[in-house]
Amino acid sequence: DNQMTQSPSSLSASVGDRVTITCQASQDISKYLSWYQQKPGKAPKLLIYDASNLETGVPSRFSGSGSGTHFTFTISSLQPEDIATYYCQQYDDLPFTFGPGTKVDIK
Amino acid sequence: EVQLVESGGGVVQPGGSLRLSCAAAGFTFSNYAMTWVRQAPGKGLEWVSVITSSGASSYYADSVKGRFTISRDNSKNTLYLQMNSLRVDDTATYFCAKDGAVIAAPFDSWGQGILVTVSS
Repeated sequence: DNQMTQSPSSLSASVGDRVTITCQASQDISKYLSWYQQKPGKAPKLLIYDASNLETGVPSRFSGSGSGTHFTFTISSLQPEDIATYYCQQYDDLPFTFGPGTKVDIK
Repeated sequence: EVQLVESGGGVVQPGGSLRLSCAAAGFTFSNYAMTWVRQAPGKGLEWVSVITSSGASSYYADSVKGRFTISRDNSKNTLYLQMNSLRVDDTATYFCAKDGAVIAAPFDSWGQGILVTVSS
C-alpha cells in the first residue's frame, strides 16, 4: 500500500499568515493527489485535485503543488474560516490512502 | 446541486450486520463510480470501498475485505454498503462520496455521514 505522511500534524498561525503543509507518498503517484478540508462534525470538502488544480468555488488563497512523492498545500493568507483539519489523499492506485491530517488553528 | 444522503446507521452488537444506503441526486448517478470512506471517533479518514459506475467491479480495503459488500442500484440512484461480522473497530462515521467516471479520481462530493456503533 502507498503510505501517505503529512507534516506538521498540527499548527497555529495568525490571521493573514501563509500556511504550508507537506504530504509525502511512499511510492510515486505522479499528480494523483487531492487535498480535503474537514471542519468539526462536517464531511470533508475537496479543495485541490491532480496536485495543483483548484476545485470550482474554492477560494484562490488555497493552492497545491508537487508531483511524484512530494507535495505541498498552501493557504496564502489564513482566514478564521480556514480552521479545520486538512488531509491529503492519493488516488493513483488502490487502496486509496489518506494522510493522517494536519489540524490548523488560529494563534 | 449534488446531494448524497446516508441512512441505515445505528448501534449493533459485535458479529452483527448492518446495511447502509446512500441516496444520490443532482447528477447522473449511473455515470460515476462511488466510494465509502469512514472515520473512527477522533481519528482520520479511511477509504473503505469503491464500485464502478456500472457496478461490475468493486474493491475493498484489507480491513473490511470478506466482511463488507458494496453495491448499487442505478435505477434507484442508490449506493449500498452491506456490513457483516461487525467488529468494535468498525465503529465510525461512514461517508459516501462521488468518485469520477473512473474509480481513480478525487471525491468531489460527500454525504453528511452516518454513525455506526459496534458495541455489546
